[in-house]
Amino acid sequence: AQSVTQLGSHVSVSEGALVLLRCNYSSSVPPYLFWYVQYPNQGLQLLLKYTSAATLVKGINGFEAEFKKSETSFHLTKPSAHMSDAAEYFCAVRLVMAGTASKLTFGTGTRLQVTL
Amino acid sequence: KAGVTQTPRYLIKTRGQQVTLSCSPISGHRSVSWYQQTPGQGLQFLFEYFSETQRNKGNFPGRFSGRQFSNSRSEMNVSTLELGDSALYLCASSLNRATYEQYFGPGTRLTVT
Repeated sequence: AQSVTQLGSHVSVSEGALVLLRCNYSSSVPPYLFWYVQYPNQGLQLLLKYTSAATLVKGINGFEAEFKKSETSFHLTKPSAHMSDAAEYFCAVRLVMAGTASKLTFGTGTRLQVTL
Repeated sequence: KAGVTQTPRYLIKTRGQQVTLSCSPISGHRSVSWYQQTPGQGLQFLFEYFSETQRNKGNFPGRFSGRQFSNSRSEMNVSTLELGDSALYLCASSLNRATYEQYFGPGTRLTVT
């Protein structure tokens, strides 16, 4: 079965510092991986996706993630945090297998706090 | 292009009642999925609809049901509401089943008292 583990339910960084949010996946077949962001009282916004093309994926708002098969990881990074980045971030995996249905499985989320 | 819309945004119901939530996908999108978000269980997949047919279902009791119309709009229904059904219900649409990214609506906040 597919699953996603996000290490750290809360991460706090200073404005201007590096953001690193960790995500590890478990999958028996090549997965499709996503990062979403959720601001208070809103739905989820897609930040970026990995669909087996380039292993380094660039997303919106300066975020990027690198797919590392050997480490089964898909960590999200941003070189310099901004106050507006404060939100909850979700990593998700979706399997695509011929002849079967697929669904999006989410991690438990990481709340990012950005301090002055 | 307008995003995914969900109505109503907020809802308060009493235990034992039933509720219907509505979702209008992005224009041209034919696949609609529903998720339940709670502080305790996180984001959980409810079901997926494509071409008016349920294609995938999560581990929820039969009280949770849904449907999709010919214009791709979708509704989900919860019967005999329980306190534990209080949650944010999110709808997501994608162009088709071969397009893997999903675009989410703002959600419907359901409170069961």
